Formats: sequence, structure tokens, C-alpha cells
Amino acid sequence: ETGVTQTPRHLVMGMTNKKSLKCEQHLGHNAMYWYKQSAKKPLELMFVYNFKEQTENNSVPSRFSPECPNSSHLFLHLHTLQPEDSALYLCASSQEATGWDLHFGDGTRLSIL
Amino acid sequence: KQEVTQIPAALSVPEGENLVLNCSFTDSAIYNLQWFRQDPGKGLTSLLLIQSSQREQTSGRLNASLDKSSGRSTLYIAASQPGDSATYLCAVRSYNTDKLIFGTGTRLQVFP
Repeated sequence: ETGVTQTPRHLVMGMTNKKSLKCEQHLGHNAMYWYKQSAKKPLELMFVYNFKEQTENNSVPSRFSPECPNSSHLFLHLHTLQPEDSALYLCASSQEATGWDLHFGDGTRLSIL
Repeated sequence: KQEVTQIPAALSVPEGENLVLNCSFTDSAIYNLQWFRQDPGKGLTSLLLIQSSQREQTSGRLNASLDKSSGRSTLYIAASQPGDSATYLCAVRSYNTDKLIFGTGTRLQVFP
């Protein structure tokens, strides 16, 4: 496999469920990102990890909990989400945390019932 | 605060037309500007990156220009094809925040 792979591609969950999104990159990059893409809104940067360390949290509610066990894997743990959290969640990676050369996965389409 | 606007929000054209997508930004203190393509249900793919010192970049049928002083960029697509149908997003990296700020995109449909 090459590039950035996200699973699952689609997820429907209730507000009280707990689920996790997974991202894996096979590009040898050091930085990984979570973005949120809502309808008719610009992409919003959520979290940045560089060499497994979180370097940025853009005031994201605590019901979103990221985890980066190594430079190739990134998770987004979800708990007690709200309907407005329904969106496309995109993972990206880049060689450096400056994000000059972002490679995106195909996203997870999340729907909150 | 940097804001990026893309006009039009949607565009439908017949195959073969030359077309221009517009991007404007409020703060001209930028490192660079990028154009991305997003196919339905897919992630973003970088098309062109223009450094702040450059005026334009070309890749095949695509040409992107940058006028930093007026806060504008255009993406020119020559001889459009149905395969060009996608959403095109513009993003700028500001000096102040060193973050990539995205516009909301232009959804392009090219029909045969």
C-alpha cells in the first residue's frame, strides 16, 4: 500500500457511542494531521503531530481525543459526539510539520444520529 | 485574521471551454498559495503551489497566477474535459500563523 489510508470510510454512530477513526501513512513522513471538512465550510485544522508529539490543538472539544503511537499511525477517538460533528474527517501527512507538502487520505464520512 | 474566498461556488460548463476559477485572500503577508483538487468522496490532491515571490505556475492544462498585492489568485483550466469535474480548493499559508487557510472551494462540472 502507498499513500495515506483511512478507515473506516463511513461511520454512523449515536451520540453516546464510542468509536475511533484510524489513519496510516506509508510515505515515511514525520508529521500527521486531522482536518474536519463540513458542508459549505473551509477545511478546519484540528490536530498536528510531529514525531509522535502533539504540536497543535486548534481548540478542539475534548470529545475528540487524538492518539499518535508512532509516526505512521494516527487515531481519532470519538465519544459523546453532537450532531454538528457530522462531517468528513481527513487525515494528512507531510515530511515536516510545516505542512508544505501535504498528502491527504480519502477521509471518513461521519454521521451522528 | 486571514480569510480565503472562492468565487463562484459552483460552475457548470461544456467540454472544451477554457475557464477561470477565482480565489481571494484578505492578508497579503503569505508564504505561498496552493490549489488543490478534491474528487467526490476523496481527499485533496495538490495541483500547484505558488511561492509568494512567484507570479504563476503551470502544470499541463493548468495555470495558476498570483497577485499578492491585490490578494488574488486565479486557476486557469484550458480545454476543459469531463475528467476535470471536481471541487477545486485554494489555500494560503500566512506569515502570522504559519497555517494553511482554505477557501470553501469551487465545484466544477464539465459536461460532454
